[in-house]
Amino acid sequence: DAKTTQPPSMDCAEGRAANLPCNHSTISGNEYVYWYRQIHSQGPQYIIHGLKNNETNEMASLIITEDRKSSTLILPHATLRDTAVYYCIVASYNTDKLIFGTGTRLQVFP
Amino acid sequence: KAGVTQTPRYLIKTRGQQVTLSCSPISGHRSVSWYQQTPGQGLQFLFEYFSETQRNKGNFPGRFSGRQFSNSRSEMNVSTLELGDSALYLCASSLGDYVNEQFFGPGTRLTVL
Repeated sequence: DAKTTQPPSMDCAEGRAANLPCNHSTISGNEYVYWYRQIHSQGPQYIIHGLKNNETNEMASLIITEDRKSSTLILPHATLRDTAVYYCIVASYNTDKLIFGTGTRLQVFP
Repeated sequence: KAGVTQTPRYLIKTRGQQVTLSCSPISGHRSVSWYQQTPGQGLQFLFEYFSETQRNKGNFPGRFSGRQFSNSRSEMNVSTLELGDSALYLCASSLGDYVNEQFFGPGTRLTVL
């Protein structure tokens, strides 16, 4: 499984967009990019995933570079409830095995 | 639709004992995965069961085992507990047909004394 690199922490003002980067330079052609987050003391929560096209859902947008070596998760209007650890994961098609890295601790402040 | 449930939520055991944790997946989900989370090692994949068969396995010793029943409910067992087994054990369920959104339960907090 490809490894990912994320900054250990980021801050974001409430109401502003939070842009969380992820590097996955060794990703292979059949591997998806997944984002999960974990709010303190809870189980991780799925956010979004993509293969090579940009994706958007009610929670976030995922921008994947054309060479697929990096991606950015965008929370368009961060709220205090978005304070969490965000994990970027690369996983092969047809597996439920997720390899979590250390993630990015996002702190949203008022 | 009810979420993933895990029982018990908290557990205290002593070294050398064994423990069984239970996970009930979301109705219709056929895959159950187990993860261990510790402050030092983070979230680590233990194993995954699909249709009562272990489909994926992480790098944990044989003291960690699991099973899945015909109704997709799953149990994991840890034998001969060690202090280092103290952790939050999380289970996640998904449809299991391909890489899917996984739904995590609240976890079982195991403390080994």
